Amino acid sequence: IVLTQSPGTLSLSPGEKATLSCRASQSVSSSYLAWFQQKAGQAPRLLIYESSIRATGIPDRFSGSGSGTDFTLTISRLEAEDFAVYYCQQYGSSPLYSFGQGTKLEIK
Amino acid sequence: QVQLVESGGGVVQPGGSLRLSCVASGLTFTRAGMHWVRQAPGKGLQWVAFIRSDGSDQYYTDSVKGRFTISRDDSKNTLYLQMNSLRPEDTALYYCAKDKGTITFDYWGQGALVTVSS
Repeated sequence: IVLTQSPGTLSLSPGEKATLSCRASQSVSSSYLAWFQQKAGQAPRLLIYESSIRATGIPDRFSGSGSGTDFTLTISRLEAEDFAVYYCQQYGSSPLYSFGQGTKLEIK
Repeated sequence: QVQLVESGGGVVQPGGSLRLSCVASGLTFTRAGMHWVRQAPGKGLQWVAFIRSDGSDQYYTDSVKGRFTISRDDSKNTLYLQMNSLRPEDTALYYCAKDKGTITFDYWGQGALVTVSS
């Protein structure tokens, strides 16, 4: 399964709403879709798993949704620390785990 | 808190070998499935290998099958990645990551840099 994220780069201002898309080449179980945040020079951090469940310590401004081939990560009100690269990830099909190519969220 | 610390990275010539280690703390290691995930410079994330908590099964991405071996030593809370027949395209930052429910990765180390170059 190939995951395609859009847009490649998203330019927004603090306080705005961000909507990031992840499209799969085949249907993905909603239980098997996760989202990660990666800041420059840091390891990825798990944000969302099973499409919509926030990981431990993740603020409620982050939310995930979707099913089938279309999934979305929404950040309701951007804060300065949210500007980073975001990856979606799926489990279950060869390769066993795969990631999207990433969306860079930058300050406008 | 969970902490994962990788070591063993370095510069190696094509065709050479390297062994990465990842020491885990703050978790019950014997109950944790573990992964290696890599990131080439300036690129995205690629899953490399997974070992189950009891070490019974190992899984690999196609490009490393037959060259890389994932293993664990529960007495040392340590995960390993033995990398043989290294290629320039294996150049990357290698992260160890704890498995979450077999479906994703909930804790990550800071990575070990492997550079394959002559």
